[in-house]
Order: sequence, then C-alpha cells, then structure tokens
Amino acid sequence: KNEVEQSPQNLTAQEGEFITINCSYSVGISALHWLQQHPGGGIVSLFMLSSGKKKHGRLIATINIQEKHSSLHITASHPRDSAVYICAVLHYGGSQGNLIFGKGTKLSVKP
Amino acid sequence: DGGITQSPKYLFRKEGQNVTLSCEQNLNHDAMYWYRQDPGQGLRLIYYSQIVNDFQKGDIAEGYSVSREKKESFPLTVTSAQKNPTAFYLCASSIDGGRATQYFGPGTRLLVL
Repeated sequence: KNEVEQSPQNLTAQEGEFITINCSYSVGISALHWLQQHPGGGIVSLFMLSSGKKKHGRLIATINIQEKHSSLHITASHPRDSAVYICAVLHYGGSQGNLIFGKGTKLSVKP
Repeated sequence: DGGITQSPKYLFRKEGQNVTLSCEQNLNHDAMYWYRQDPGQGLRLIYYSQIVNDFQKGDIAEGYSVSREKKESFPLTVTSAQKNPTAFYLCASSIDGGRATQYFGPGTRLLVL
C-alpha cells in the first residue's frame, strides 16, 4: 500500500470550475508539500503545511492532521492551471531525505 | 537570477556506458537531492547531501553515484550497473536538510540507445 495516496489520478475541468485534489497519508508527518509539475517537467513548490490552511492567489491548501488528509483547491480554474499536482509528506522526525511523494494528479482545464 | 540548472536536457546512453548528469545551484543552499521519476510513479530519492563532502543514499541508490565537492554542485553518475536507467531525473536543493522548501531544477531525460 502506498504511504501517500492522491485522488483523483486524472481530472478534466472546464475553465472557471472549482477544483479539489485530495491527498491521504498513512505515516506520521511533520510537514506536507504541494508541488506543481508543468508539462515540460519542471516542478514548483506551491505550499508547505503543518497545520490549518494556506492561501496563495487562487490556490488554497488545507490539512487535517488527525484525519491524515490534505486538499488542494483551485478557484476559478484556468487552462494555465493544467499540470500535474504532487503531494509529498515529510516523515515525522526525518530530514528532507525522508520525503514521500504521491503519484500525482494530472489536471487538464479546458477553455 | 538565482536558481537550479540541470544539463543536458536530454541525454542518451549506450549499453555499458557511464553518464553524468549535472546539477548546479546558486541559491547558497546547503542541501541537494537527486530524484528519479518514472511514468505513473511518484518521485523516488536516489541520493541526497546535507552538506559539502557528505551524502546519503536514498531509496534507489543502486547503480548511481554522486559527489559533493562544492556547495553549488551535485553531479549524478548513472553507471552501467543501473540496468533500467531510462527515466526523468530531477535535482533539487533546500536551504537546509530540515523542513525547508525544496527548489527543483528543470530535469534531465535519460534515454538508452
């Protein structure tokens, strides 16, 4: 069983829709990261969370430590949001060498 | 402009050949990492280094080697012992090896001829 599970695996949306991507994990963590990977392969870090909620522009990330679950929301989605979104958790007490990655959610936003 | 550069963008390896992937950062970060990405799988850690002249094996270090002689540079060598080297390789760095955000390079795609 994977320690980090993302859902859905693939997501197609129309421009303007509200999007939610989910991440569940089974290990104790000290932080959770949301990353964005563009079609060319480059990865950008969007958020690092250890509790609560963070917002940046149209992106919102939440985490529930008790339920071992995080969500990434995109409001008013746009075709430029099309990318693979990756959840990664830092195993509790570990160095960055202990980041565990989900397989990613591929998002396609149609105009 | 600060950032991480990887070269080349595409690399071809012949059977039995060692190849070296370059990773350079000018962010003054102490920690650097090498990941491998295969289709349908999450990133997997090959090696990481928290400080110059020190590095640790990750989950899939077999068939790979690294060096960290300078803070800015963390080259990865894919040796002939790596039997399935075709993958996308990503280098990253962070200010330290704790909970700091990692910054990723653009990646190198390695193909076997």
